[in-house]
This record gives sequence, C-alpha cells and structure tokens, in this order.
Amino acid sequence: GQSLEQPSEVTAVEGAIVQINCTYQTSGFYGLSWYQQHDGGAPTFLSYNALDGLEETGRFSSFLSRSDSYGYLLLQELQMKDSASYFCAVNRPPLIFGQGTTLQVKP
Amino acid sequence: GAVVSQHPSWVICKSGTSVKIECRSLDFQATTMFWYRQFPKQSLMLMATSNEGSKATYEQGVEKDKFLINHASLTLSTLTVTSAHPEDSSFYICSARDLGTGGADSNQPQHFGDGTRLSIL
Repeated sequence: GQSLEQPSEVTAVEGAIVQINCTYQTSGFYGLSWYQQHDGGAPTFLSYNALDGLEETGRFSSFLSRSDSYGYLLLQELQMKDSASYFCAVNRPPLIFGQGTTLQVKP
Repeated sequence: GAVVSQHPSWVICKSGTSVKIECRSLDFQATTMFWYRQFPKQSLMLMATSNEGSKATYEQGVEKDKFLINHASLTLSTLTVTSAHPEDSSFYICSARDLGTGGADSNQPQHFGDGTRLSIL
C-alpha cells in the first residue's frame, strides 16, 4: 500500500515564503509530483522530482530525498492567487495523491 | 503541450440514471488513461486504470460493475456510472500520460482533464 502525509492547512502573507512538506510510504516509486488545485478546478502540474535534489521552476521549487521518503514544495514571493490546495503525489505509476494542503495567502 | 479533454463538465440527473463521461487525448495517443474521483475537500482517489483494447484495472474497493470503463481507441476512454445514486455525486477527473515525448514512460507527467462534476438528485 501507500500513504502520503502533508499538513492540512498553511497560512502565510503576501510576499512570504512557504514550505509544504510531504512524507510518503509506497510499494512502488518513480518520483514525487506536486499539483495545484483551485476550488472547483482540475489539478495543474507544478513540479516533478525523479531524483534527489532541488528542482526550480520560477517561484516554485521542489525537493526530494528518496532515502528519507521526504519531499517539499517551496513557494516564494507568495501572491494572493497562490491561495489553493497543493497535493504531493507519488508516481507509482500512476499518481497516488496525498490529502492536500490548503494554502491561504493573506494580504 | 499535451491536452486532455473531458466531457461533459457538469451533469445533474435523477437517481437511477446512467451517466457517461468521455476523456480524450487531443494531441497525443494514450494507451493508458486513469480515472480519479474527488469528494469535496478531499484528495483525488484513483479509481481505475483504463487500458486501450483490454479490461480496466480497478483499485480496491471500486465496483467494476458500477463504474464501467471502455477504452476503445488510443485517444478515448469513457467512464459510465451505472444506476447513479446521490452518494455517487462527486468530481470525476481523467488523466493520461503522453508517452511520445521520450524518456522513461514511468516518468512522463500525467495530464489531467478539467473534470466532470456529477450531481445526482
């Protein structure tokens, strides 16, 4: 089986930096993905780590440590539009999602 | 980039009705597609893997006779919710991987459709 754990809620202010952690246990693993989902919308792809280390894509970065079964998503220079749910997902394949972290960005 | 189209986007129907949801890969071929379900404020739960030309693989606890999956071509998979009841009301999302972009198949990103919101009265 598989399980993923991430915080349920995070609150931060505009311009701040937020880190959303994800720990996982899975029987098959090819990598860790991060998705963003706004209310009522479909998930959109943010980042993917197949190997250990940091991947940077604009304001978003993602990190993976396979030996620790741990990863995180780092959001910098937060904007109001970043308020959404963020899901980590292990690529079994296919993707198996965590419970999601609701990020609320305040002015 | 790879686009997955899902139709319809919203369905409201009476209890006992069967509902068909279509998932198409518009600019790539997908031998495998995935169906997820998401209840409000919850995660996306994998329901089944749809395999072109063969039977779908269902996750534990998903009734295969309730959720019929057909993957008759490389660009189309359908999910039919048979005799739907209010507890089947949910957000259904399909996904596919574009295997034509090179690299290991297992590392190709999954592209998601816009989802179908199903409400059973």
